[in-house]
Amino acid sequence: GAGVSQTPSNKVTEKGKYVELRCDPISGHTALYWYRQSLGQGPEFLIYFQGTGAADDSGLPNDRFFAVRPEGSVSTLKIQRTERGDSAVYLCASSSLGRQELILNTQYFGPGTRLTVL
Amino acid sequence: AQKVTQAQTEISVVEKEDVTLDCVYETRDTTYYLFWYKQPPSGELVFLIRRNSFDEQNEISGRYSWNFQKSTSSFNFTITASQVVDSAVYFCALSEARNTGKLIFGQGTTLQVKP
Repeated sequence: GAGVSQTPSNKVTEKGKYVELRCDPISGHTALYWYRQSLGQGPEFLIYFQGTGAADDSGLPNDRFFAVRPEGSVSTLKIQRTERGDSAVYLCASSSLGRQELILNTQYFGPGTRLTVL
Repeated sequence: AQKVTQAQTEISVVEKEDVTLDCVYETRDTTYYLFWYKQPPSGELVFLIRRNSFDEQNEISGRYSWNFQKSTSSFNFTITASQVVDSAVYFCALSEARNTGKLIFGQGTTLQVKP
């Protein structure tokens, strides 16, 4: 079946602009995650959704970053007043619930959006 | 505090050699989950394995094997008879039972397999 998809694959913007990054999870997956990966580093957690609500947004670096998932499927990560330091690959992942609802299953990742802020 | 350390930044081997990628983790939770992901040059993270903290049985999948030792907080990954297609960045990751939505990744180990 189809995996996690992310659009655009590449985004170049200028400092101070607003950007939106989209994630389409695997069909039927209730949980959705955003990570950021800088060059040469491991992915860093930003936020995750269980259904429509953000279950943990502790990784968002500041109030310029915001994410939504209004219908419990597609999610959009929004970055306001972009800065050069925001340049990174933004990864999205999704997972289903296990038999024990509190234990989330394995996260499957999309190809990422490479954001470059000039 | 939760932390994952992959001390090997880069490893280079010749095809058919065995190679072990090290992973050491820190957590205060007694229930947690450990993962390995592969990131080939295309960039997409590919899930390889998940282990639960209460199951220390080692696992083998084809040329891949994993050695989980709670006593040393390690979850090492061995590739037997490496192939050029194994060249990638490999990440070890941890999630804790109290917050299973958050994966904590190590810095990654870049494996280069030369023909």
